[in-house]
Parts: sequence; structure tokens; C-alpha cells
Amino acid sequence: AQSVTQPDIHITVSEGASLELRCNYSYGATPYLFWYVQSPGQGLQLLLKYFSGDTLVQGIKGFEAEFKRSQSSFNLRKPSVHWSDAAEYFCAVGGGNTGTASKLTFGTGTRLQVTL
Amino acid sequence: EPEVTQTPSHQVTQMGQEVILRCVPISNHLYFYWYRQILGQKVEFLVSFYNNEISEKSEIFDDQFSVERPDGSNFTLKIRSTKLEDSAMYFCASKGREVTGTQYFGPGTRLLVL
Repeated sequence: AQSVTQPDIHITVSEGASLELRCNYSYGATPYLFWYVQSPGQGLQLLLKYFSGDTLVQGIKGFEAEFKRSQSSFNLRKPSVHWSDAAEYFCAVGGGNTGTASKLTFGTGTRLQVTL
Repeated sequence: EPEVTQTPSHQVTQMGQEVILRCVPISNHLYFYWYRQILGQKVEFLVSFYNNEISEKSEIFDDQFSVERPDGSNFTLKIRSTKLEDSAMYFCASKGREVTGTQYFGPGTRLLVL
């Protein structure tokens, strides 16, 4: 069964500081990995995704993530956080090999607080 | 940019009542999904739908739940007899033809069962 672990429930960083949100996954085949962001009361917006190829993927809003197969990780990074980045971040895994309508399995999320 | 829309944004209902949550996926998308998020918890998969039939459903998606694509644009989730524990945010998502495509999520419907 596929699963995602986000070990950090809540993270606080200062504006301008760097950020790394951790994500570990469990999946039996080649994983398709995603990071979504959810602002309060809003839906889920895709930040970036990894399917294959270059293990460092760039996303919107200056975010990037690195896929490390040996560590089963897909950590999200941003070099300089802005106050508007305060939100909940969800890592998700979905398979391409199990069927064309494959579901996403989400982690429990990391709530990011940004201090000024 | 095309987007997934959902109505209503909020719904309050009495326990035991039927509710229908509506979604308009991105046109020309072929795969449709419902997820839910109980307050403070993670997003959970409910059901996926393709070619006018359910592709996969979770344990949560029991006989009280059903999905339908009544016309070429809408995708609905019906809960026949709501329970208190059905209170959650329900997200609809859709995906295009390619297997590796992204699921695009709607803004959600917040359902409160009293």
C-alpha cells in the first residue's frame, strides 16, 4: 500500500530564511510525487510534481523539491520564505503503474508559520 | 486558466438527510475524483471515476455514497443518509488524458452535519 509521512506537523520560520519540508513515501513501483499547498479555507494548489527524469524539480512560487529514491524522500525547499507562504503543505504520492485513474495518497500535512 | 468548480461552497444539513455535492471538472478531462478532509486531518481519497464507472473506491466510500456524471459537464457525490462523521471538506478533482497528468482540485464544499 502506498503511504506518505510528513514528520513535521508545524514549522515556524522567519521571513527571508530558508525552508525545507520533509516528505517520505512508501510505494511499490515508480512513484509519482506531488506537493500541494492549501491556504486557510482554500482548495489545494499544485506546487510541483515529479514523474521521471531530473530529480530536482522546480515549481511555482520559487519552490523546488528533490527526489531521492535511496531515501524514499521528496523534500520541498525554498531559499527565502515570504510571509505569504504561510499555509499548509501536503506531500502526495500517486502511481502511474496501477491504473490510469490512480488515486493520490496524502501525508498529514505541515503547517508553515512565517514570522516577520 | 480552466479550473474545477464546486457548489455549494458550504452546506449544513441534518443527520439522516441526503446531500448532493456538485462539481464541474475541467472540460476535456477524463478522470474524476472525490476526496475529503475532516477538520484538522489529512486529505483522504474517496473514489475515482472514468468512462462512466467507478475505477476505484476507498473503504470510506460505502453504500451511503454514490457518484454520477449526469451530463457532459457535472460530476456529483451523493450521500444518502448523512452521519455526524460525514462532516468534512469535500474536494473534487479532475485529470486529463495522460497517465502522468496532474489532478486539479476544486475549492471544496464544506459539509456540516448536525
